[in-house]
Amino acid sequence: GAVVSQHPSRVICKSGTSVKIECRSLDFQATTMFWYRQFPKKSLMLMATSNEGSKATYEQGVEKDKFLINHASLTLSTLTVTSAHPEDSSFYICSARVSAGGGDTQYFGPGTRLTVL
Amino acid sequence: DAKTTQPPSMDCAEGRAANLPCNHSTISGNEYVYWYRQIHSQGPQYIIHGLKNNETNEMASLIITEDRKSSTLILPHATLRDTAVYYCIVRVGNRDDKIIFGKGTRLHILP
Repeated sequence: GAVVSQHPSRVICKSGTSVKIECRSLDFQATTMFWYRQFPKKSLMLMATSNEGSKATYEQGVEKDKFLINHASLTLSTLTVTSAHPEDSSFYICSARVSAGGGDTQYFGPGTRLTVL
Repeated sequence: DAKTTQPPSMDCAEGRAANLPCNHSTISGNEYVYWYRQIHSQGPQYIIHGLKNNETNEMASLIITEDRKSSTLILPHATLRDTAVYYCIVRVGNRDDKIIFGKGTRLHILP
């Protein structure tokens, strides 16, 4: 299957700083990528849809000014958590969509664990 | 409203076939059944998807009932590495349809 990478895999930062997470599709181009967040023992929650060359679409309750998404190329989307606070500590996962004739498929990255002190 | 219903947990002996059920009684004619799994502290992994016919790949088989109201994911020879949360998702499978994860089934493979 298609490969999606994330960088960094783990990050620890101080409260008030900003953190950027990269999501790359390694062997395919993705016009659409997605960002999810997962708290311990909970299911993944969709945060936003990232479309190449246009503004991201955020899910209800997700602050677009806090979680900045940029999808500048067909293989790279970035999520920046601005002014991070301890409650933003979570597991952030991206996915990239591969369109196909028999229903599209989304491939997920390995995730980034963010800890805000 | 949840589109799918899955048992919260299941056990399976190593080496045996793991059969994971999913009910989707309100599925529409143009919706596919997708299966993903998430191993602890990793991103979800795509397993298989299908519309009407049974599907098989190197990971698993997907059996969809004739009325499409339920399906079963079969892992033919379960190993300890198959211990994960398995998600059954019903969606159209186009750019306008997002993946929304439910609670899934936590599969424990017993040695």
